[in-house]
Amino acid sequence: AQKITQTQPGMFVQEKEAVTLDCTYDTSDQSYGLFWYKQPSSGEMIFLIYQGSYDEQNATEGRYSLNFQKARKSANLVISASQLGDSAMYFCAMMWGKLQFGAGTQVVVTP
Amino acid sequence: EAGVAQSPRYKIIEKRQSVAFWCNPISGHATLYWYQQILGQGPKLLIQFQNNGVVDDSQLPKDRFSAERLKGVDSTLKIQPAKLEDSAVYLCASSLAPGQWGNYGYTFGSGTRLTVV
Repeated sequence: AQKITQTQPGMFVQEKEAVTLDCTYDTSDQSYGLFWYKQPSSGEMIFLIYQGSYDEQNATEGRYSLNFQKARKSANLVISASQLGDSAMYFCAMMWGKLQFGAGTQVVVTP
Repeated sequence: EAGVAQSPRYKIIEKRQSVAFWCNPISGHATLYWYQQILGQGPKLLIQFQNNGVVDDSQLPKDRFSAERLKGVDSTLKIQPAKLEDSAVYLCASSLAPGQWGNYGYTFGSGTRLTVV
């Protein structure tokens, strides 16, 4: 069965620093998609970045980049130059027909 | 384009009462999903609709939860009777079709925060 693992329940990061959020997954499928979502305290799920399993290059979206290591089945999110507004829960998710989420990592950005 | 609309935003009920949540997906999105997110956990899929048919309801507690999407557009999720452990955020999401998620996955609504006391 497919499984998403986020081992960091919470992290503190200083403003303007970079932070890496870990995500590993387990699947026997060859075709799948990996996503990262941000969920602020208001509750909505905000799409950040996507990586297809066949994409050869790591995805980037502004300050977000995805470090995709297919052989290791990891899809870590890197947020560069953290801002106070980045404080939120971050979820890694995998799609192979339906979207399944990890448990999330709480990020707190401090001044 | 308008996003996924959900109502109410918040709901507090006593255990054993019933409650209903409403969702209107993005226009043209054939697939609609209901997720349950318990505090401190990731969202868990309860039910998936393709137009007005159920594709997957394997994780829906059918003894107390029901959902419908009668005209293939908006959807209602009901809990009757509610238990304390049903306290959670209920998220609705939509996509064009299963397997056609594009680069954005699903589009989520703002959710309904249910508290059962």
